[in-house]
Amino acid sequence: ETGVTQTPRHLVMGMTNKKSLKCEQHLGHNAMYWYKQSAKKPLELMFVYNFKEQTENNSVPSRFSPECPNSSHLFLHLHTLQPEDSALYLCASSQDKGGTEAFFGQGTRLTVV
Amino acid sequence: GDSVTQMEGPVTLSEEAFLTINCTYTATGYPSLFWYVQYPGEGLQLLLKATKADDKGSNKGFEATYRKETTSFHLEKGSVQVSDSAVYFCALRGNTGGFKTIFGAGTRLFVKA
Repeated sequence: ETGVTQTPRHLVMGMTNKKSLKCEQHLGHNAMYWYKQSAKKPLELMFVYNFKEQTENNSVPSRFSPECPNSSHLFLHLHTLQPEDSALYLCASSQDKGGTEAFFGQGTRLTVV
Repeated sequence: GDSVTQMEGPVTLSEEAFLTINCTYTATGYPSLFWYVQYPGEGLQLLLKATKADDKGSNKGFEATYRKETTSFHLEKGSVQVSDSAVYFCALRGNTGGFKTIFGAGTRLFVKA
């Protein structure tokens, strides 16, 4: 399979649960990203990984914990979330060079109850 | 820092009408510019791109020209279809500083039959 694959597509979790989102890319890219998309808000860049190293964390609360074990896989570990964290979480990957576009997964629709 | 501003929506058009969605940007250097489209329940897909001044990106009847003098990248289509109903995002990716993609807020387009 090619492209960027995210699992699960939908997730409902309680505020005391721990869950993880998974992202996998088979495009040979070396940069991976997590974005949050909330209703009526712009896309928010959360984390950037380049060659497995985190290069950006946009003041994301510690209840979101990313992990990038290799250039093809990216996880977002979730712990004690709040209802306002309900959103579509999008993973993307790209080559680490200008002029190239990011490729997105279909997202995980997260609902925190 | 770099930023993208695009016209607020929603934009509602009748089928076969002409579409323009305005996008302007602020960036240092010479970024690459993109339009992405998001259909309901999906992630973002690249629609078209331009990597240098005066380049025209085109795909599926959509076009946008990289205008450095006006720092703009307006999206146009001569005759929209109901299937074009989606959210459109203008974006830029710099050629320095980690190459992250910066998105506009998105413009929702509704096309009526």
